[in-house]
Amino acid sequence: EAGVTQSPTHLIKTRGQQATLRCSPISGHTSVYWYQQALGLGLQFLLWYDEGEERNRGNFPPRFSGRQFPNYSSELNVNALELEDSALYLCASSAGTRAYSTDTQYFGPGTRLTVL
Amino acid sequence: GQQLNQSPQSMFIQEGEDVSMNCTSSSIFNTWLWYKQDPGEGPVLLIALYKAGELTSNGRLTAQFGITRKDSFLNISASIPSDVGIYFCAGPISNFGNEKLTFGTGTRLTIIP
Repeated sequence: EAGVTQSPTHLIKTRGQQATLRCSPISGHTSVYWYQQALGLGLQFLLWYDEGEERNRGNFPPRFSGRQFPNYSSELNVNALELEDSALYLCASSAGTRAYSTDTQYFGPGTRLTVL
Repeated sequence: GQQLNQSPQSMFIQEGEDVSMNCTSSSIFNTWLWYKQDPGEGPVLLIALYKAGELTSNGRLTAQFGITRKDSFLNISASIPSDVGIYFCAGPISNFGNEKLTFGTGTRLTIIP
């Protein structure tokens, strides 16, 4: 069974540009989560999508947005890129809509975004 | 935002040694999760704990859900080279009814040849 996949692997942008990152969940999973992992830091929760709806959002500015498609894949968009947006962006998927305490999240390999 | 405090931040050990790390929170948790992240990859779930006092093993790994529900411990016995990586604890934190998975700051494990 294929795991969570993310594309691209690496992305280089300049300040002010927009970045689009993509995620395909494990087959049968309906929830997708996005995290930012800046160098040397832990994972910071960004967004949670389930059944096409945004369920929860972390403490990030509105220029971080996303969506979930009918096939449950997801896209993260970062507008007006800033240098501090450089990080590894991880996507995870889980099977249901219940609380995190009962849903195991499976992570993809991440997209390394570099903003110059 | 709120974070879980992990210690130690890094560990340098020799192959074969046992490893202990812990995670503490100011909030009570109903679930503790332990993940491992290899370089260039996403975190992989190692152990999930759902009840205070619970002790769960996964091969050479053993994790415990603290009685106070504010801490958790992960032990690795007889470390081997593939144990190298960053270990994260995680737990769900509710904020005005919205729950999100919060990760600890990580413990970086290095094995000295």
